[in-house]
Amino acid sequence: GQQLNQSPQSMFIQEGEDVSMNCTSSSIFNTWLWYKQDPGEGPVLLIALYKAGELTSNGRLTAQFGITRKDSFLNISASIPSDVGIYFCAGQLGGGTSYGKLTFGQGTILTVHP
Amino acid sequence: DADVTQTPRNRITKTGKRIMLECSQTKGHDRMYWYRQDPGLGLRLIYYSFDVKDINKGEISDGYSVSRQAQAKFSLSLESAIPNQTALYFCATRGPTGTGSTDTQYFGPGTRLTVL
Repeated sequence: GQQLNQSPQSMFIQEGEDVSMNCTSSSIFNTWLWYKQDPGEGPVLLIALYKAGELTSNGRLTAQFGITRKDSFLNISASIPSDVGIYFCAGQLGGGTSYGKLTFGQGTILTVHP
Repeated sequence: DADVTQTPRNRITKTGKRIMLECSQTKGHDRMYWYRQDPGLGLRLIYYSFDVKDINKGEISDGYSVSRQAQAKFSLSLESAIPNQTALYFCATRGPTGTGSTDTQYFGPGTRLTVL
């Protein structure tokens, strides 16, 4: 099945550094979502983007829905150790009779060194 | 209490055995999903359901079946488990389309299944 191209696959950073990751797709999506998964847990929704060009923040996290509707990025500012985890982007075709199928990126594994 | 719960959290079984994974939700959502997660592949959709009478196959439904016993319950079965079904399995729920913040999927904690 189709997958999003998420990069980078992994990141090793020092506490306090900023982080940026992105997803690109050959298809248009109506919604972009960013999830974080902690070890042994399910993905937890961080930010949802519903409109092309939308820029949304959630604390130290900022995400944008690309103008072309084929990409999105997530930035984390001033990283802290608890930011460690796997970050997934997901594109959703919503609206009308869509079943809301999510297409997931492969994930970015983030490691933060104190 | 968690909005989406899954049981069991961990299961080890043998090839050929029948396995059922269960999911319950208290979010009042009508849509429920089953995904599997494999390293480097993200999450892939197995089955989804809009309501009790509506069941649909996802990308990778072969070898799996589901049952929507009630709006709040959605079970995944492996009729005859095989080793390449070893994975993390997640249940998710979603509210009705067009309702803003509920128009996204919320995941359970997952079931780690190992098929020997």
